[in-house]
Amino acid sequence: DAMVIQNPRYQVTQFGKPVTLSCSQTLNHNVMYWYQQKSSQAPKLLFHYYDKDFNNEADTPDNFQSRRPNTSFCFLDIRSPGLGDAAMYLCATGYSGGTSYEQYFGPGTRLTVT
Amino acid sequence: AQRVTQPEKLLSVFKGAPVELKCNYSYSGSPELFWYVQYSRQRLQLLLRHISRESIKGFTADLNKGETSFHLKKPFAQEEDSAMYYCALGGGFKTIFGAGTRLFVKA
Repeated sequence: DAMVIQNPRYQVTQFGKPVTLSCSQTLNHNVMYWYQQKSSQAPKLLFHYYDKDFNNEADTPDNFQSRRPNTSFCFLDIRSPGLGDAAMYLCATGYSGGTSYEQYFGPGTRLTVT
Repeated sequence: AQRVTQPEKLLSVFKGAPVELKCNYSYSGSPELFWYVQYSRQRLQLLLRHISRESIKGFTADLNKGETSFHLKKPFAQEEDSAMYYCALGGGFKTIFGAGTRLFVKA
């Protein structure tokens, strides 16, 4: 089945220790998104890629970076995680050539910062 | 400013009762509205979109541009409908999510 896959599902890192979360997709969608979701809150868009074009949200901290080496993969790098970065991180894909901008989500990676 | 408001954090109804999850939006243009659902331990997934005017799992939602609303309705709630529901506003490649409403259907 075509899908969005996130690895790992659970990640524990230490305060200040860089961490990378990964996302892959078999949908061949040209848009990929990273969201941060804290408990009982709406998903908050961090950035998205339209093909290779990176689009950062204005309020996304510099601590968060992303890479998209090819259509299928996208990475979220947190350079120096703080306790406030503990959250669920959701990857999603979308297809700009479709009739609507619906998104397809991965299962998420829950990040714990100790 | 683009905004999605879901006024209820929690909605609790009995099985078989009608349910309405409220959503209001603010958008200068032609909005594209969605409802996403997240069942326990499952990924966030699209439930329905306004342009399709479809009924999914018995749920419907009508876009009311005059009231800037996109309420989600189901005439007879079922226990398996218990989940977190997010109203979302699509504009360009970006989607703005509401804070979500947790629906709890009691037996």
